[in-house]
Amino acid sequence: GAVVSQHPSRVICKSGTSVKIECRSLDFQATTMFWYRQFPKQSLMLMATSNEGSKATYEQGVEKDKFLINHASLTLSTLTVTSAHPEDSSFYICSAREAASPLHFGNGTRLTVT
Amino acid sequence: TQLLEQSPQFLSIQEGENLTVYCNSSSVFSSLQWYRQEPGEGPVLLVTVVTGGEVKKLKRLTFQFGDARKDSSLHITAAQPGDTGLYLCAGSGYQKVTFGTGTKLQVIP
Repeated sequence: GAVVSQHPSRVICKSGTSVKIECRSLDFQATTMFWYRQFPKQSLMLMATSNEGSKATYEQGVEKDKFLINHASLTLSTLTVTSAHPEDSSFYICSAREAASPLHFGNGTRLTVT
Repeated sequence: TQLLEQSPQFLSIQEGENLTVYCNSSSVFSSLQWYRQEPGEGPVLLVTVVTGGEVKKLKRLTFQFGDARKDSSLHITAAQPGDTGLYLCAGSGYQKVTFGTGTKLQVIP
């Protein structure tokens, strides 16, 4: 089946630094990629939707200057958390789809900001 | 804004029991997916339903899509500890996927 690789799986960084998370589709062309944030025992909260080659569409309340999303190719999207603070600590998950196919998810990135 | 409400939110049952999880919305979706997520991992797709009234079976799991394509249910027969996890429904609309509020299932041996 379709595979989405997310890296890193865990990252610890100091407050004020930036962290980049990569999401790759390994065996299909991801025309659309989604980034989510998930709090413990809760569902996924959509942060933004990105289509290859165009600017990401951010959900209401998500700061686009803080959460930079780049979708430069059909197999790679990146999420950069800029000037991270402890409240940004969370589980971040990407998903990808080709056209109208079902979503396939990465395994998530546990971000801890100290 | 969450448009898909799942119930129950939490469910703890004994091994061998049956259970049903509901996913309800006021919106119509072109398709609906069910996912299961284990701690520290991404959701894994279980099934996609497309046609109103459709019923799909996956071993002990039975999925149904409502006639109006606004709601869905997941029924598990003879639950096993391996069924433990967070179950998420997701409705697909135009260019957007909306996730349900999630159901945390614990099956006790």
